[in-house]
Amino acid sequence: DAKTTQPNSMESNEEEPVHLPCNHSTISGTDYIHWYRQLPSQGPEYVIHGLTSNVNNRMASLAIAEDRKSSTLILHRATLRDAAVYYCILREGAGGTSYGKLTFGQGTILTVHP
Amino acid sequence: NAGVTQTPKFQVLKTGQSMTLQCAQDMNHEYMSWYRQDPGMGLRLIHYSVGAGITDQGEVPNGYNVSRSTTEDFPLRLLSAAPSQTSVYFCASSYSGQGGKLFFGSGTQLSVL
Repeated sequence: DAKTTQPNSMESNEEEPVHLPCNHSTISGTDYIHWYRQLPSQGPEYVIHGLTSNVNNRMASLAIAEDRKSSTLILHRATLRDAAVYYCILREGAGGTSYGKLTFGQGTILTVHP
Repeated sequence: NAGVTQTPKFQVLKTGQSMTLQCAQDMNHEYMSWYRQDPGMGLRLIHYSVGAGITDQGEVPNGYNVSRSTTEDFPLRLLSAAPSQTSVYFCASSYSGQGGKLFFGSGTQLSVL
């Protein structure tokens, strides 16, 4: 199964942009890059996902390297409510042999300072 | 839509007791899965299903059983609870297409004494 590598923790100041990196050097052509976050005492929630092109939504932006071996989750203006554990995972497209087996690593603990 | 609903939210068991954690989704998702999360750790996959009648093991399946008789429901059974199964359990579901965005339930906190 393809795996991801993220820093254990990062810090940011409120109102500043945050760039959360993720390495996935063994990514295959059919793997989607997903980001989820987990606030304290809550279940994970979806942030964004993409395949090859950069993606934007109301929560964040996802920048995918041209070779797809790394990606960056961008929070444009961090707020205190963005303090959470951020998980980067790879998900094979439907029909693939590893489609169902999603692996979550330890994630990155994001601390936002007022 | 209610999304993914897990019951109960909290449960205390004695060693050796059995119970079923319920998970239901109303989004007609083909894929459903169960994870456990121990304190300070990431999520570990227990079992998953890609459709009604189809289940498979994740990375930590021992001590747990699942079945998928309908698209909506994916119950997780603990046949003989052990203290090592004390954890928070999350159910998740997704469509098969469009990259498979996961929707998570709010979790069940289980303590086995």
